[in-house]
Amino acid sequence: ETGVTQTPRHLVMGMTNKKSLKCEQHLGHNAMYWYKQSAKKPLELMFVYNFKEQTENNSVPSRFSPECPNSSHLFLHLHTLQPEDSALYLCASSQDKGRTEAFFGQGTRLTVV
Amino acid sequence: AQSVTQLGSHVSVSEGALVLLRCNYSSSVPPYLFWYVQYPNQGLQLLLKYTSAATLVKGINGFEAEFKKSETSFHLTKPSAHMSDAAEYFCAVSGGGQGNLIFGKGTKLSVKP
Repeated sequence: ETGVTQTPRHLVMGMTNKKSLKCEQHLGHNAMYWYKQSAKKPLELMFVYNFKEQTENNSVPSRFSPECPNSSHLFLHLHTLQPEDSALYLCASSQDKGRTEAFFGQGTRLTVV
Repeated sequence: AQSVTQLGSHVSVSEGALVLLRCNYSSSVPPYLFWYVQYPNQGLQLLLKYTSAATLVKGINGFEAEFKKSETSFHLTKPSAHMSDAAEYFCAVSGGGQGNLIFGKGTKLSVKP
């Protein structure tokens, strides 16, 4: 138990579907992150939230839409995805958006068909 | 700007042998450095971190790493490999104003019986 919980663990969706990934952290952290991990590629930072405010969007396509209603919850809304979006999506949190370690959830394995 | 280079995408050792995973970093400010481990279909788990205190850092599962500023390195070692150490290992650096973790491409460790 890392203190960061992601649901669902696995998701298969069609290219016309709309789905959401959920992340919840029980650590009292102020910063939360979405990462994408594809085979044979380095971890890609997608979005950063600090005190519920989005501070970074690393040129992520608009078919990915994050939402952070409070410091404990982070969502990633998905719509009209492409097969190349299939990957492991990791949520992480850290005490602050600074030089502190991040704690990761177990990830959601997404397959777009 | 910060960056991390992990030498060797795949390292194979025999059970009981020394484990050495290499990491070199680049940072315009004094870095914070981290090693994470990832088991299949899991999130990343923090092994150890360097935050400008002792240069030899001890982590979980018998791993340790030494910060060498002159060599801009932060190699991960373990004296005796165990089968359960088979996983992927990521080096990461944090530094600068944004403070986001920058990850290397990872090194997959295999342990032979």
